[in-house]
Amino acid sequence: GAVVSQHPSWVICKSGTSVKIECRSLDFQATTMFWYRQFPKQSLMLMATSNEGSKATYEQGVEKDKFLINHASLTLSTLTVTSAHPEDSSFYICSILSGGPYNEQFFGPGTRLTVL
Amino acid sequence: AQKITQTQPGMFVQEKEAVTLDCTYDTSDQSYGLFWYKQPSSGEMIFLIYQGSYDEQNATEGRYSLNFQKARKSANLVISASQLGDSAMYFCAMRDMNSGYSTLTFGKGTMLLVSP
Repeated sequence: GAVVSQHPSWVICKSGTSVKIECRSLDFQATTMFWYRQFPKQSLMLMATSNEGSKATYEQGVEKDKFLINHASLTLSTLTVTSAHPEDSSFYICSILSGGPYNEQFFGPGTRLTVL
Repeated sequence: AQKITQTQPGMFVQEKEAVTLDCTYDTSDQSYGLFWYKQPSSGEMIFLIYQGSYDEQNATEGRYSLNFQKARKSANLVISASQLGDSAMYFCAMRDMNSGYSTLTFGKGTMLLVSP
């Protein structure tokens, strides 16, 4: 299946700073990428759908000015958490559509964000 | 709106035995897809198996099979001959086939622990 990487795998930052998370599709041109957030012992919640060359589509309740998404190329999407607060601490996971027979999503390994 | 329900927060099974993880769903769509993902402690989401709403046969993939009962709106995952490496969180998810972006709705997950 498609290989998806994320960087960094974990990050600790101070409250008020901004953090950028990268999601790369290593062997597949991904027109569409998805960003999820997962709180401890909870399910994945879709934050936004990122489309190459256009604005991201955010889910209801997700602040687009706080979670900036840029999908500048077919292999890279970035999520920037601006002015991070402790409540933004979470596990952030990206995914791409595989393009296979089931068009399943292939997920990256995730990024653990801790805001102090 | 779509909804996925996984009623088992945790399941225990002995190695080499079979286990069934429950999943029920609710949708008004006629065309949809059902997925199961495995999330080990490392955090990465691993695609296991897919069932389309129009598929007449239950999906199988190695030791994984999906017991699809459309009238009851259930899509239970059966893992045969459990292995220690199967210990993980398992998520059932649904995709709206009419959605242009193929977004997934996840259940809350079931933690499976396989004992020797």
